[in-house]
Amino acid sequence: AQTVTQSQPEMSVQEAETVTLSCTYDTSESDYYLFWYKQPPSRQMILVIRQEAYKQQNATENRFSVNFQKAAKSFSLKISDSQLGDAAMYFCAYRGSSNTGKLIFGQGTTLQVKP
Amino acid sequence: DTEVTQTPKHLVMGMTNKKSLKCEQHMGHRAMYWYKQKAKKPPELMFVYSYEKLSINESVPSRFSPECPNSSLLNLHLHALQPEDSALYLCASSLTGGGGNQPQHFGDGTRLSIL
Repeated sequence: AQTVTQSQPEMSVQEAETVTLSCTYDTSESDYYLFWYKQPPSRQMILVIRQEAYKQQNATENRFSVNFQKAAKSFSLKISDSQLGDAAMYFCAYRGSSNTGKLIFGQGTTLQVKP
Repeated sequence: DTEVTQTPKHLVMGMTNKKSLKCEQHMGHRAMYWYKQKAKKPPELMFVYSYEKLSINESVPSRFSPECPNSSLLNLHLHALQPEDSALYLCASSLTGGGGNQPQHFGDGTRLSIL
């Protein structure tokens, strides 16, 4: 069975600085997809960034980028120039290519941004 | 603005009541999901509908009964709930229900409290 591990329950970063959230996963599949979701205190879960396992190039979305290390089964999220609005709970999620769309979530990392 | 609309936003009910949660999307998505989320925890998948057919039931107690009347609507009927069922119930949708990089779009959720 696939598992997703986020080893940092809480992180903090100073506004305008850079922070990296870690995520590791375990799978025997060769084709899969990885996601980072953000859930602010107002609770709507929104997609931050996604990565296809077959792509070697790391995904980037504005200030958000990932470091995808397939051999190490690692998928970390880097937030550059952190803003107060980045404060939220961040979930790493895995989806295999063969299942019915089921997302497997990590336990989440709460990010605090200090002004 | 969320593209997945959930009503009501808050619901308080007694253990003998019958109530329903409603979810609606007009993005043409053919897969819809119900999740249960406890505070500071990741969402737990309950049900998946793909092309209006139930494709996943994660061994959810029968006091939760899902219904998908059409491709845009998803209901969750509640009956004889227990206090431990108090949680945030999230609805999500995606373009299709299979594996792939299509993200799930989440609603704001219904905060359910069982007295």
